[in-house]
Amino acid sequence: DAKTTQPPSMDCAEGRAANLPCNHSTISGNEYVYWYRQIHSQGPQYIIHGLKNNETNEMASLIITEDRKSSTLILPHATLRDTAVYYCIVRVAKRYGGSQGNLIFGKGTKLSVKP
Amino acid sequence: DSGVTQTPKHLITATGQRVTLRCSPRSGDLSVYWYQQSLDQGLQFLIQYYNGEERAKGNILERFSAQQFPDLHSELNLSSLELGDSALYFCASSPSPGNSNQPQHFGDGTRLSIL
Repeated sequence: DAKTTQPPSMDCAEGRAANLPCNHSTISGNEYVYWYRQIHSQGPQYIIHGLKNNETNEMASLIITEDRKSSTLILPHATLRDTAVYYCIVRVAKRYGGSQGNLIFGKGTKLSVKP
Repeated sequence: DSGVTQTPKHLITATGQRVTLRCSPRSGDLSVYWYQQSLDQGLQFLIQYYNGEERAKGNILERFSAQQFPDLHSELNLSSLELGDSALYFCASSPSPGNSNQPQHFGDGTRLSIL
């Protein structure tokens, strides 16, 4: 399973863009990069995912490098409500036996948005 | 609101007891995943069901079991409870297993406290 590396913590000023990096140098060609966040002790919230191309939705943008060895989650205008632990996960893509797409969570990045 | 419903939200019980946690997946989702989050272990995958059948096992203790019913709701049974079983238990669902292009959506969890 591809492993991810994230900084343990980051700060961001309210209203500014938050750029959260993730390294996944051992990612396989058919594995997606997923981002989730967990606010306090709530259930993890799905943010965005991508394979090769950059992706954008109403919550965030995902930039994946051409070699797919790293990615950046961008929250364009961070608010205090974006304070959370952000998890970068490489999704296991096995179809038969063993893992069936369960998520492997690391320690994530604790993002603190400050006024 | 992720569409995944977990009950109860809080559960307090004593060592040696047995409890049942319930999860209703999002409408249309056939696959259910259970995760445990404790302070020292982070979020860990326990077990997965798809359309009533067990598909994958993670770090699930023998004292724990789960099942998925014909209406697709799932129950996680924890028996002979120990202090170390105190944790947040999350359920997630997705349309089908193995398709890494489908995100899992999480419920708000059940907080289990063993006294």
